[in-house]
Amino acid sequence: GESVGLHLPTLSVQEGDNSIINCAYSNSASDYFIWYKQESGKGPQFIIDIRSNMDKRQGQRVTVLLNKTVKHLSLQIAATQPGDSAVYFCAEKTGGGNKLTFGTGTQLKVEL
Amino acid sequence: DSGVTQTPKHLITATGQRVTLRCSPRSGDLSVYWYQQSLDQGLQFLIQYYNGEERAKGNILERFSAQQFPDLHSELNLSSLELGDSALYFCASSHDGGTEAFFGQGTRLTVV
Repeated sequence: GESVGLHLPTLSVQEGDNSIINCAYSNSASDYFIWYKQESGKGPQFIIDIRSNMDKRQGQRVTVLLNKTVKHLSLQIAATQPGDSAVYFCAEKTGGGNKLTFGTGTQLKVEL
Repeated sequence: DSGVTQTPKHLITATGQRVTLRCSPRSGDLSVYWYQQSLDQGLQFLIQYYNGEERAKGNILERFSAQQFPDLHSELNLSSLELGDSALYFCASSHDGGTEAFFGQGTRLTVV
C-alpha cells in the first residue's frame, strides 16, 4: 500500500531563542542516552550523550537533562540558529545490550 | 564528516533482486551497526557486529544478512527485494559498542 510520511512533532522557534526538545523513553533499565541531529539527506550526527548516573550534562550551546523518575529526556539548545534546523532524535541504550533504540524524532524549524 | 563511509550513495533496483551495501567504519572502531530508516518506521536497528562477530540482532528480515570482515568493513546483503524495502540504510560505528555511534551518510535504496 501507499506509505505515509512519519508524522513528526514540530517545534518552531525564532532565531536567537532557546529551544527545548523533549523525549520520553521506555525502558527504565536504559543506562545511556544520546541525542542525534539529522539534517535532510544526511546521516544522524552525534550531539551529546548522558549516562543514567547523571541528571544534567552541558556541551557547547546544548544541555541534556535526564529525569529517570518519569523517564524523560530533554535537549536544550541555547540561542537557536538557522543551522540548527533539523530532525532531532533521542536514543537509549540498555546495559548489556548494544543497540540504540531511537525515538520518532522532532522536527526543529528555526524562523528568521 | 563522521569518518564512516558507505557505498553506494544511491541504488535503484527491481523487485526480486539482490543488492550489497558496504560500510567502512571509522579508523579504530570495532563495532558496526546497521539501521534502516523508512518514512513510516523511523530508524530501526537491524544488526551489530563487533570485531567480526555478530553481537546483537534487531528487526532484521531473514532475507537480509550481514557480515563484518577481518579488515572491519561490513556488508549488508538484501535479497528478494520488495517495494517495502525501499529506505535509507545507515551504517554506524563505535569503538567498543558501549559508547556513542557515528553514522555514515547512508545508502538510499529504491526498489521499483
